[in-house]
Amino acid sequence: DQQVKQNSPSLSVQEGRISILNCDYTNSMFDYFLWYKKYPAEGPTFLISISSIKDKNEDGRFTVFLNKSAKHLSLHIVPSQPGDSAVYFCAASANSNSGYALNFGKGTSLLVTP
Amino acid sequence: DGGITQSPKYLFRKEGQNVTLSCEQNLNHDAMYWYRQDPGQGLRLIYYSQIVNDFQKGDIAEGYSVSREKKESFPLTVTSAQKNPTAFYLCASSTVLWDIQYFGAGTRLSVL
Repeated sequence: DQQVKQNSPSLSVQEGRISILNCDYTNSMFDYFLWYKKYPAEGPTFLISISSIKDKNEDGRFTVFLNKSAKHLSLHIVPSQPGDSAVYFCAASANSNSGYALNFGKGTSLLVTP
Repeated sequence: DGGITQSPKYLFRKEGQNVTLSCEQNLNHDAMYWYRQDPGQGLRLIYYSQIVNDFQKGDIAEGYSVSREKKESFPLTVTSAQKNPTAFYLCASSTVLWDIQYFGAGTRLSVL
């Protein structure tokens, strides 16, 4: 049962524009959320995170927004650059039988075109 | 350069064979993890280790085994009991358990 859903498998954005990647979750016990970025043939790299006590976290061009009532978070990249082209995974965690294990979405492939 | 090294990059398994995937980290992290990724799917947790000589089953541990004899190393054995082993395997580590995880480049396992 997929508890973290990224419903858009792919997204194409023009360079300089905003990229918005969305993530929905079903488990109301999730209290920590992360975004990872993955290039082909490499492991995911941590990008940005947010705790459930906040609704926004910003790091340079990357901002994550959390809407707890809607069980929705989004990653904004402004301005988008061709080097941002990668697969982005949303992940969430909560205390469970497996500890605070991460639950990953299926990923969204972002293509930033010049 | 600190990081996580997984080897081999590609691995093939014959029917009934056990194979071992290597994961080494020089980040001085206490916690290590193994994940499996299938095409079009998210990562699923196989095993994790909080500290040397300790490890726990994740969500899909059946058909896999691990050991943690050294802080730097967390090898994963895919046993013949794992009937569908073809997947991309990722190893990760973190300073302490459940802290932000850093991933290796992965091993792609296929069945001959």
